[in-house]
Amino acid sequence: QVQLQESGPGRVKPSETLSLTCSVSGGFINTYYWSWIRQPPGKRLEWIGYVYSSGSTKYNPSLNSRVTLSVDTSKNQVSLTLSSVTVADTAVYYCSRGYYEGDLGHWGQGARVTVSS
Amino acid sequence: DIVMTQSPDSLAVSLGERATLNCKSSQSVLDPSNKQNYLSWYQLTPGQPPKLLIHWASTRQFGVPERFSGSGSGTDFTLTISSLQAEDVAVYYCQQYYSIPYTFGQGTRLEFK
Repeated sequence: QVQLQESGPGRVKPSETLSLTCSVSGGFINTYYWSWIRQPPGKRLEWIGYVYSSGSTKYNPSLNSRVTLSVDTSKNQVSLTLSSVTVADTAVYYCSRGYYEGDLGHWGQGARVTVSS
Repeated sequence: DIVMTQSPDSLAVSLGERATLNCKSSQSVLDPSNKQNYLSWYQLTPGQPPKLLIHWASTRQFGVPERFSGSGSGTDFTLTISSLQAEDVAVYYCQQYYSIPYTFGQGTRLEFK
């Protein structure tokens, strides 16, 4: 059974870059779509984007200029970086694995990130 | 962006009774070329990873109990829990993956009556 575990700093300062890692165990990166989704406090889920195992990406246009997703098959990890963060980026961040575009079939527990000075 | 609207915002149902959750999209998520609806349902329970219940509007994910079913097409969709169990208390979200950005509804909170 594949397991996904998000990790990263619990707190980031405004204007800095947020970096999160999704570690994959019990399975491999190849041939899957890896998505990131976040949920700000009291708000609905928001799709951030996906990276395919080949490295190709699609992003939410609202975040397009600030977000980068990547895969590291040697480490079995997927990464998210979000630049120039503001308090609006405070959220629980989830990674998810899917078989096709838009498939969010398997999720991690999530990592809570607070943007605060 | 496609806007997803769920109703009701919260729902109280007795144990063993039927729960009906609705989801409406601002434009059709049905692809006429393959007749597939690009619509999923998820269950969020505190302390647990979000769980995919239904995809393609009506296909139950492997391992999801048969009491969960999805229906609808185009812009109107329904998630039905035929007989509410204790472990079904959660927040349920619909999501469209017809066009980017993929978008979610605001959620329906399902509680015991």
